[in-house]
Amino acid sequence: EDQVTQSPEALRLQEGESSSLNCSYTVSGLRGLFWYRQDPGKGPEFLFTLYSAGEEKEKERLKATLTKKESFLHITAPKPEDSATYLCAVRTTNTGNQFYFGTGTSLTVIP
Amino acid sequence: SAVISQKPSRDICQRGTSLTIQCQVDSQVTMMFWYRQQPGQSLTLIATANQGSEATYESGFVIDKFPISRPNLTFSTLTVSNMSPEDSSIYLCSATFAGGGGYTFGSGTRLTVV
Repeated sequence: EDQVTQSPEALRLQEGESSSLNCSYTVSGLRGLFWYRQDPGKGPEFLFTLYSAGEEKEKERLKATLTKKESFLHITAPKPEDSATYLCAVRTTNTGNQFYFGTGTSLTVIP
Repeated sequence: SAVISQKPSRDICQRGTSLTIQCQVDSQVTMMFWYRQQPGQSLTLIATANQGSEATYESGFVIDKFPISRPNLTFSTLTVSNMSPEDSSIYLCSATFAGGGGYTFGSGTRLTVV
């Protein structure tokens, strides 16, 4: 059975304190792993798509990496405005055009 | 990038009533998706809506409870019928656009049933 697990559930960082969020997956036939940011009361905002192991994507203070078993979202020198819930989702040969979402990591960056 | 407008943004409804949520996309898309996000949980797919055909529902969701319309390639509605407090949730529509890779989501409808 396809499974996506995110850790930690919640993370509190001081401003400028770099860290990583983890998304572990067990799926058959990965067709893409996606990272989203969700602010309270809003829909998820697309950040990155990763398709194959070894791939990396960057956007401002965020960098996403992918291995055969997991993905990391690295946050370098975070700012309070980076506070949000970060969701990962996978698309597989079983899910077709659908995405299967993890439960998210709630990130709080303290000034 | 593509924009999805969703309304209402929030509503408080009496149990036993129905609410229709609308999503308007600023470009044509083949498939639209409806998700539910219960408090503290991640997104669960309710159904996939294709233009010109009946929606495809995921396990645990039925058409009588969540009827969906898709009259054209830029618009869809989801109705939450005969509501109970357990239906209190955020409902989100989404679509995928050519070249985008990921989904674009509407801003969500926060539904509270009292």
